[in-house]
Amino acid sequence: AQSVTQLGSHVSVSEGALVLLRCNYSSSVPPYLFWYVQYPNQGLQLLLKYTSAATLVKGINGFEAEFKKSETSFHLTKPSAHMSDAAEYFCAVSPGPLISNFGNEKLTFGTGTRLTIIP
Amino acid sequence: GAGVSQTPSNKVTEKGKYVELRCDPISGHTALYWYRQSLGQGPEFLIYFQGTGAADDSGLPNDRFFAVRPEGSVSTLKIQRTERGDSAVYLCASSLQGASSNTEAFFGQGTRLTVV
Repeated sequence: AQSVTQLGSHVSVSEGALVLLRCNYSSSVPPYLFWYVQYPNQGLQLLLKYTSAATLVKGINGFEAEFKKSETSFHLTKPSAHMSDAAEYFCAVSPGPLISNFGNEKLTFGTGTRLTIIP
Repeated sequence: GAGVSQTPSNKVTEKGKYVELRCDPISGHTALYWYRQSLGQGPEFLIYFQGTGAADDSGLPNDRFFAVRPEGSVSTLKIQRTERGDSAVYLCASSLQGASSNTEAFFGQGTRLTVV
């Protein structure tokens, strides 16, 4: 079984400040890990994906995440927040290369973190 | 179209009625997924198609839920005898499966189902 826990359902940061959204995962097999963003009235959009190639993953819009096996974490960061970053962010896990062929099957999502940017 | 299209965008139905939700994936995408997102929750996996067949339907909550993809493109999620607890946003996603894990699942905007 797999699960993710997102710490903080709401996070507020000032424009220009560091963004840190926390995600811890549980998986009995090496996982694939994802961060998705959901803007109002839009579909989920992939920010970045960990596939075991590199522990530091760079995504779109200046976001990155680091896979830390010892901490079972995959926190999302961005050095400087923009107003356009305001959205809902979801961490997700799926069975990794020992089980999954392609990495997209059967994503298990966290409950989400709503990011608010303060002008 | 360029993205995953879901119709209708909103559906209100009475308790006990039957509903069908449609998903048009990105052209050429062989994999298709259905998720359900309840208020304040993350999306919850329902079913995954590879081509015409359901490769994994372990997320379907009960036998009132059924999904088909007869020609390996468009998929329909069918819900019989709807209950108020079925109210949620139903999300569809598709991806181009290949030999690499570096493929992305693209999500539609969802169908908001309200059972009254």
